[in-house]
Amino acid sequence: KNQVEQSPQSLIILEGKNCTLQCNYTVSPFSNLRWYKQDTGRGPVSLTIMTFSENTKSNGRYTATLDADTKQSSLHITASQLSDSASYICVVTSNTGKLIFGQGTTLQVKP
Amino acid sequence: SAVISQKPSRDICQRGTSLTIQCQVDSQVTMMFWYRQQPGQSLTLIATANQGSEATYESGFVIDKFPISRPNLTFSTLTVSNMSPEDSSIYLCSVDGQISYNEQFFGPGTRLTVL
Repeated sequence: KNQVEQSPQSLIILEGKNCTLQCNYTVSPFSNLRWYKQDTGRGPVSLTIMTFSENTKSNGRYTATLDADTKQSSLHITASQLSDSASYICVVTSNTGKLIFGQGTTLQVKP
Repeated sequence: SAVISQKPSRDICQRGTSLTIQCQVDSQVTMMFWYRQQPGQSLTLIATANQGSEATYESGFVIDKFPISRPNLTFSTLTVSNMSPEDSSIYLCSVDGQISYNEQFFGPGTRLTVL
């Protein structure tokens, strides 16, 4: 069964600190892996998109990594800001175009 | 990127009534998608709507409960029919970005509460 699992489920960090969110998937073969940020009451917004051949992709303070051999991805947030408080969703696209969503990690950045 | 708007942004409805959610895109797109996000859960695809054809529903979702219209390439509606409290969710419209990696863009969502 194609699955995407994220950890931790929730995370609280202090402003200015770094953090890393994890995503493990069983989707195979897959087309791409994306990380989305979803602010409360808003739709998800794309942060990074990686194909199976890419190892890392950055978007400002967000850096995603992908290990297609171990089927793991991470999203690293550097120098966190209060505005980073949101849910972060890992999404894997299968070769058939179907999107499989993770449950998300809820990040809270405190001053 | 595509700019997507949804109406209403939120609503509180009575059991047994129906609500129609509108999705407007600022450019023509081939495929539009409707998702449901139940409290504390991730997104679940309800159906895919292509202009000029019947919507394709995912397992567990039926047209009688979630009728969809797609009258043109920039607009779609999703109706939640005969609502019950279990239908309380955020409903999101999404479109295919039609660029590399088939990126999808999401609308802001409609937060529905059924009493």
